[in-house]
Amino acid sequence: EMQLVESGGGLVQSGGSLRLSCAASGFTFNNYWMSWVRQAPGMGLEWVANIKGDGGAKYYVDSVKGRFTVSRDNAKNSVYLQMDSLGVEDTAVYYCARVSSGGALYRFDPWGQGTLVTVSS
Amino acid sequence: QTVVTQEPSFSVSPGGTVTLTCGLSSGSVSATSHPSWYQQTPGQAPRTLIYATNIRSSGVPDRFSGSILGNKAALTITGAQADDESDYYCVLFVGSGIWVFGGGTKLTVL
Repeated sequence: EMQLVESGGGLVQSGGSLRLSCAASGFTFNNYWMSWVRQAPGMGLEWVANIKGDGGAKYYVDSVKGRFTVSRDNAKNSVYLQMDSLGVEDTAVYYCARVSSGGALYRFDPWGQGTLVTVSS
Repeated sequence: QTVVTQEPSFSVSPGGTVTLTCGLSSGSVSATSHPSWYQQTPGQAPRTLIYATNIRSSGVPDRFSGSILGNKAALTITGAQADDESDYYCVLFVGSGIWVFGGGTKLTVL
């Protein structure tokens, strides 16, 4: 069974840093792009970042460029999100998701259960 | 900045049919936008419903279908049931490695 488990969320002060982890199992991890998607309280989903299977390409939403860094360790079947210079606007549940793309049929699936990041002022 | 538009809310009667749409602030949605749809209930992670415009994800009932209608992606629920009451999100590929989610549609079944 495919599974994604996020960890590393918590309470941090504005301007601080946090590193999220996502452990994958049940599929050949290095064959897939991985994404981070966040959801602020009471709000919609927002795509945050993607990283290619070999780590050779990374993309970010404009609002986190220069502050967040996505990385992966294929030996550990894990993807990470280093978040620096956090602001209250970064408060959200952060989900990791696999980007399935067989035959260019893209979808975010599966999803982890999410980890809550709260940034206090 | 590309914005993906969805109806903020929609209401459907049990057994009725509803079509939710997903558009672009500039331009048209096409197959190369790789539209996919997700259902989310409070406190839960999103669940994949439709991908690549019209392919149902495993286990998704056939009352859910996807299409391109005019210049938008569309999710149609035929024969709505009470447990379809959820938030629905679309996401589009807008190029240069970037994906954008719509703001979501809150569907009420009553």
